[in-house]
Amino acid sequence: GAVVSQHPSWVICKSGTSVKIECRSLDFQATTMFWYRQFPKQSLMLMATSNEGSKATYEQGVEKDKFLINHASLTLSTLTVTSAHPEDSSFYICSARVPSGTYEQYFGPGTRLTVT
Amino acid sequence: AQSVTQPDIHITVSEGASLELRCNYSYGATPYLFWYVQSPGQGLQLLLKYFSGDTLVQGIKGFEAEFKRSQSSFNLRKPSVHWSDAAEYFCAVGPPLMEKLTFGTGTRLTIIP
Repeated sequence: GAVVSQHPSWVICKSGTSVKIECRSLDFQATTMFWYRQFPKQSLMLMATSNEGSKATYEQGVEKDKFLINHASLTLSTLTVTSAHPEDSSFYICSARVPSGTYEQYFGPGTRLTVT
Repeated sequence: AQSVTQPDIHITVSEGASLELRCNYSYGATPYLFWYVQSPGQGLQLLLKYFSGDTLVQGIKGFEAEFKRSQSSFNLRKPSVHWSDAAEYFCAVGPPLMEKLTFGTGTRLTIIP
């Protein structure tokens, strides 16, 4: 099956700094990737849809200036959490959609962000 | 708008007993349906999926699910659970072309000896 990786798997940063999370589709090209956020003991909430070569589409309530998404190639999307605060601490999961057939999404293993 | 309901927040089952996790969805047409499992601190693992065709779907780890259009349900079943099945289970629904995948709130499964 299709494989999606995320890097780093966990990161700790100080409040006020920025942190970048990478999402890669390893064996297929993905024109569309998705970023989800999961708080402890809660479900996944879609933050934004990342489209290769165009601006990301953010879900209602998600600050686009705080969560910068760049989908610079067909295999890489990045999420940058700018001026991070402790309330941004969460589990961030990306997925990549196969570009044909069932258009199924394949999920990365997630990135645990802790802001101190 | 699509939505998913998992009525059971937490289920406890004895090892070796059967299991059924409930999932109800709301969508205007026939959606794509998924079940994922998540162990603590880990990512999602796909158990099974339904796109079309046979309404009884077989997945990995001995799981199966049945799509019932009349009940808007996609319940997950396993005839005999193992201690390693303890985890969080998420049902998800998406439209064809998968522009957006919506997750249920999850069901936490505890296995007792």
